[in-house]
Amino acid sequence: KAGVTQTPRYLIKTRGQQVTLSCSPISGHRSVSWYQQTPGQGLQFLFEYFSETQRNKGNFPGRFSGRQFSNSRSEMNVSTLELGDSALYLCASSLASGSSSYNEQFFGPGTRLTVL
Amino acid sequence: GIQVEQSPPDLILQEGANSTLRCNFSDSVNNLQWFHQNPWGQLINLFYIPSGTKQNGRLSATTVATERYSLLYISSSQTTDSGVYFCAVGSQDSGTYKYIFGTGTRLKVLA
Repeated sequence: KAGVTQTPRYLIKTRGQQVTLSCSPISGHRSVSWYQQTPGQGLQFLFEYFSETQRNKGNFPGRFSGRQFSNSRSEMNVSTLELGDSALYLCASSLASGSSSYNEQFFGPGTRLTVL
Repeated sequence: GIQVEQSPPDLILQEGANSTLRCNFSDSVNNLQWFHQNPWGQLINLFYIPSGTKQNGRLSATTVATERYSLLYISSSQTTDSGVYFCAVGSQDSGTYKYIFGTGTRLKVLA
């Protein structure tokens, strides 16, 4: 079975621009979560999507948004980029059921975003 | 919210040595995972272990949920074990289910 894939792997943007990252989960997985990893803040939860609906959300500003498609693929968008948005963005998929998020998560290779 | 602490923050070992990494969490959790992050940033699943003990080759893990800690054992370490080890716990926090990561243990195994 193919693992979680993320595109692009590397991205360079300038302040004020917006960016869209893509994540394809493991086949059959319906839950996709997004995380931001920075040297200062570590790994932080952004949000989780299940069946095209945002089910859980972390403590990030509204500039960070996402969506999920009917095939479970997910995109994350960051608008009005700031220097502090430079980070490794990781997505994870899990075989979460409709009533529970409590399943093993599998991570993709990440997208490394640099904001200049 | 729940706090997740890992110790030690840094660890240097000679090849062949054994080590124990610890993960403490401040509240009850619904699941717990251990990961190894390689130099390219990929998080590799080691164990999904909300409770009990599991073994996989030279690695084993134990979670004692009632006492709010988990241990990762690495035996006969190899240079390829180098990297950062994270534990992550799943927990309800203010109506939101979150996966909270610890700050990691950076392991360097010397040949």
